[in-house]
Amino acid sequence: DVKVTQSSRYLVKRTGEKVFLECVQDMDHENMFWYRQDPGLGLRLIYFSYDVKMKEKGDIPEGYSVSREKKERFSLILESASTNQTSMYLCASSFRSRGNEQFFGPGTRLTVL
Amino acid sequence: AQTVTQSQPEMSVQEAETVTLSCTYDTSESDYYLFWYKQPPSRQMILVIRQEAYKQQNATENRFSVNFQKAAKSFSLKISDSQLGDAAMYFCAYRRGEDGGSQGNLIFGKGTKLSVKP
Repeated sequence: DVKVTQSSRYLVKRTGEKVFLECVQDMDHENMFWYRQDPGLGLRLIYFSYDVKMKEKGDIPEGYSVSREKKERFSLILESASTNQTSMYLCASSFRSRGNEQFFGPGTRLTVL
Repeated sequence: AQTVTQSQPEMSVQEAETVTLSCTYDTSESDYYLFWYKQPPSRQMILVIRQEAYKQQNATENRFSVNFQKAAKSFSLKISDSQLGDAAMYFCAYRRGEDGGSQGNLIFGKGTKLSVKP
């Protein structure tokens, strides 16, 4: 079974803190993605990566950065957390070739106080 | 830009009955894929069914089937013999057919919350 794991299910941080969300996949997928999920807004793409050290901005990259030093690991970084970044964060991965589904992690519920 | 619209924020179905979730999309491309994803209350998103735009035959996976109307840009999901375990958020998603870079990105609708009544 494909497995995508995220470092925390629940996280509480304070405004201004630097926050790291880690995602690891075990299927040798080229593509990895970070989404933000908010009620009524669906899933919005923050950043994605299609290869090691490669990254591209998604629809809502402001306030976030990412790192992909190894193929299996994709990190989302909140440089200075703000209350409007309180949300559910989902990581996903997929093979690059056409039509391949994305496999999702369990999500991290981040609360910024 | 492509968009995906799910017009039903919430739906309800009686156990063992059939329910249809709606999805429409907007694209000028002819080569693409459509997906339905399920997100149960535990939050792990899983793939329910996939449709390739160049295939006229509607995809089917056990109790789940789609009604793909390419000209109308409609992609509805039918769940037959609904079970309590079908209760979840359902997301419709679109993916361009080409490889590489941002072509692999999914564009999601806002979701439909399905409740199943015993």
